[in-house]
Amino acid sequence: DSGVTQTPKHLITATGQRVTLRCSPRSGDLSVYWYQQSLDQGLQFLIHYYNGEERAKGNILERFSAQQFPDLHSELNLSSLELGDSALYFCASAPSGSTDTQYFGPGTRLTVL
Amino acid sequence: EDQVTQSPEALRLQEGESSSLNCSYTVSGLRGLFWYRQDPGKGPEFLFTLYSAGEEKEKERLKATLTKKESFLHITAPKPEDSATYLCAVQGLGSGSARQLTFGSGTQLTVLP
Repeated sequence: DSGVTQTPKHLITATGQRVTLRCSPRSGDLSVYWYQQSLDQGLQFLIHYYNGEERAKGNILERFSAQQFPDLHSELNLSSLELGDSALYFCASAPSGSTDTQYFGPGTRLTVL
Repeated sequence: EDQVTQSPEALRLQEGESSSLNCSYTVSGLRGLFWYRQDPGKGPEFLFTLYSAGEEKEKERLKATLTKKESFLHITAPKPEDSATYLCAVQGLGSGSARQLTFGSGTQLTVLP
């Protein structure tokens, strides 16, 4: 158990809908990263937040957005969903300080029908 | 742009048959190279971080090594419970304060009893 929690575990929805994925980082970690894992793309970095501020964007679609709240939990919002958005979505948190190791949560499996 | 290539894509071993997994990388300055283990449908589990060429780290039957162009994950006398996908990731200096990881596609290891 990494100490990172994600909810829900599974999410099934229809095209065009909007969903919110939630992540709680390890106690004391200020950084939260979101990644998408699909069969054909592997693990792809989406976005990084540090202590409530957006720090970097990767291959994140404009239909996707995220935020990190004062209690440090983060939410990833996916809207106008398409079939191709079906994937595993992971968040990872990293300790404050110099170490760069990221610890991953169990993931949310999104299925868009 | 950081790039990671892992080989082989899949590897089947008999229990006790030692082998190595390869991770070749291209980065504009290496901040760190990471190995993770991932079981089906679960989040990546952190194994090792390597920071400089010549560095080695061990954990039970696993040993990770690093050169300037590649890393190896050596598996000694594997057991069926070592079956998983092993992911390699790099963090380049170009990622700045964001520190996102660039992942390879992984090596799917199967250890037969």
